[in-house]
Amino acid sequence: DIQMTQSPSTLSASVGDRVTITCRASQSLSNWLAWYQQKAGKAPKLLIYKASSLESGVPSRFSGSGSGTEFTLTISSLQPDDFATYYCQQYESYPLTFGQGTKLEIK
Amino acid sequence: QVQLVESGGGVVQPGRSLRLSCAASGFTFSNYDMHWVRQAPGKGLEWVAIISHDGGNKYYADSVKGRFTISRDNSKNTLSLQMNSLRAEDTAVYYCAKDPGFQRSYNWFGPWGQGTLVTVSS
Repeated sequence: DIQMTQSPSTLSASVGDRVTITCRASQSLSNWLAWYQQKAGKAPKLLIYKASSLESGVPSRFSGSGSGTEFTLTISSLQPDDFATYYCQQYESYPLTFGQGTKLEIK
Repeated sequence: QVQLVESGGGVVQPGRSLRLSCAASGFTFSNYDMHWVRQAPGKGLEWVAIISHDGGNKYYADSVKGRFTISRDNSKNTLSLQMNSLRAEDTAVYYCAKDPGFQRSYNWFGPWGQGTLVTVSS
């Protein structure tokens, strides 16, 4: 199985900050990586697929980059609605696996 | 718009069975692969299973293989998860999710349902 490791596990930031979350895979994924946002008590929401493709309707302040084993999700200017937990997910092979999550908190 | 509504969750004793359903609308269900993903209380996301658009191919996480069965009824736009020999570690919110690929698996998750809670406890 491909192991996915996110860092940091928790991130404290302020509105307007630029933040970056990193996701590392135990083997190469090419660009077969997605990012999701989950708010408390809600279902996850797709943000990014193919490492850098923005899902329709997702604000352009979200961006993804990387390939191989290292990927990043960047939020260019944090908005109040962005405080949530973020997950990466690999789809290079079954079983599909997620990172453990990064909780983005208000500083 | 795409709507996915799960049902069937509840409290069940260890070793017993439960069947979850996901009612789909807003898209041509028979053209899309579907997934189940679960989340234990306070924990991260775990993919459970996928079924191809025509029901011909299925894959499972090792943690549920041999105990859970994914199925679909394209005439009723319904996805199901039959869960047998339930364990305490199966306690989770179970989400159904649509695969974005048209008659193929892209294997990321588009719209998700709101989830249904399964609690395995004596």
